[in-house]
Amino acid sequence: QKEVEQDPGPLSVPEGAIVSLNCTYSNSAFQYFMWYRQYSRKGPELLMYTYSSGNKEDGRFTAQVDKSSKYISLFIRDSQPSDSATYLCAMSDTGGFKTIFGAGTRLFVKA
Amino acid sequence: DGGITQSPKYLFRKEGQNVTLSCEQNLNHDAMYWYRQDPGQGLRLIYYSQIVNDFQKGDIAEGYSVSREKKESFPLTVTSAQKNPTAFYLCASTSTRVSTIYFGEGSWLTVV
Repeated sequence: QKEVEQDPGPLSVPEGAIVSLNCTYSNSAFQYFMWYRQYSRKGPELLMYTYSSGNKEDGRFTAQVDKSSKYISLFIRDSQPSDSATYLCAMSDTGGFKTIFGAGTRLFVKA
Repeated sequence: DGGITQSPKYLFRKEGQNVTLSCEQNLNHDAMYWYRQDPGQGLRLIYYSQIVNDFQKGDIAEGYSVSREKKESFPLTVTSAQKNPTAFYLCASTSTRVSTIYFGEGSWLTVV
């Protein structure tokens, strides 16, 4: 079993839709949870960062962490064609020295 | 602007040749990393370094070598011993105070 599981998609939605991206994990020691957005042929850029459980909102993006279920989510409201990218979840226990990444979900937002 | 600079962006090499990818950061981060990304796969850790003059193997270190002579620099050499070197290589760094990793723009290596 992989430490982090992420549905690779692709996920295709119409413009304006609410998008839900998810990851599950097995290591209960993970405390830091991150979402990265990666455009084609570019390096990943940090979107959201959450410590422990709870929700965090930033504009159209909301990150949720449910440690009891070992499940994290990223919601994108009013999705735009510019949101079309691969979204990677990531998590680590301490110091970032061992960060585990999901395989990434490819998202397409159709105009 | 602070960030991580990788060069070259695109590199073509003949099979059997060693190639070195450059990574420089001006974020004053202590830890630096090299990842490899293949289509449809997640990021796989090649090497990481927490301090100058010290580095550790990641999950797929075979066929690669690194050095960390300066805090700002962490070059990666892809040697001829790497059996399948064609990939997208990402350099990253993190401060010891937080657990978020920041990435460079990546280097595409094609071996023919």
